[in-house]
Amino acid sequence: QQQVKQSPQSLIVQKGGISIINCAYENTAFDYFPWYQQFPGKGPALLIAIRPDVSEKKEGRFTISFNKSAKQFSLHIMDSQPGDSATYFCAASMSEKLTFGTGTRLTIIP
Amino acid sequence: DAEITQSPRHKITETGRQVTLACHQTWNHNNMFWYRQDLGHGLRLIHYSYGVHDTNKGEVSDGYSVSRSNTEDLPLTLESAASSQTSVYFCASSAAGGATDTQYFGPGTRLTVL
Repeated sequence: QQQVKQSPQSLIVQKGGISIINCAYENTAFDYFPWYQQFPGKGPALLIAIRPDVSEKKEGRFTISFNKSAKQFSLHIMDSQPGDSATYFCAASMSEKLTFGTGTRLTIIP
Repeated sequence: DAEITQSPRHKITETGRQVTLACHQTWNHNNMFWYRQDLGHGLRLIHYSYGVHDTNKGEVSDGYSVSRSNTEDLPLTLESAASSQTSVYFCASSAAGGATDTQYFGPGTRLTVL
């Protein structure tokens, strides 16, 4: 049973455009929702995270939008750059354990 | 600087052999985790530990074991390696009861079982 569903599986965006990745969760006991960024050959690294008591969090070009009633959250990357090309994972936490989505491979083209 | 390391980075073994993957962190974190990463599945939790002598099964624990004898290390053992265990393995750690549940990941071990 996949508790965190992520889409799309892959995404191609032009430089300067907006990249949007969506996730949906099932378990309302999740209490922390991070996004991780992973470059080839590296381990995932925390990008940005949100608690369910806020609807939006912004850090630089990265924004999480959170809809508690719909049990959905999304990552928006503004002014996407070639250096943003990576795999992105959403996750949901409960009892300090993370459940990950299946990942989105983002490619930014010039 | 605090870090989390994994060894070996690459390992090729044969079906039926016992294999141990090492994970060492200098964050002094109580929580440690092992994941496997496979295309189409994301990261799946194998085992985790909330402190010394504590171990718990994750989503895909069959065929794997861990032991936690100190804060810094959580070795992952494959009792009898199978081809289905060919994967990239990541270790992670986090502070217990922190304001966030940020997990810090190691660089990964690519394991091939022939």
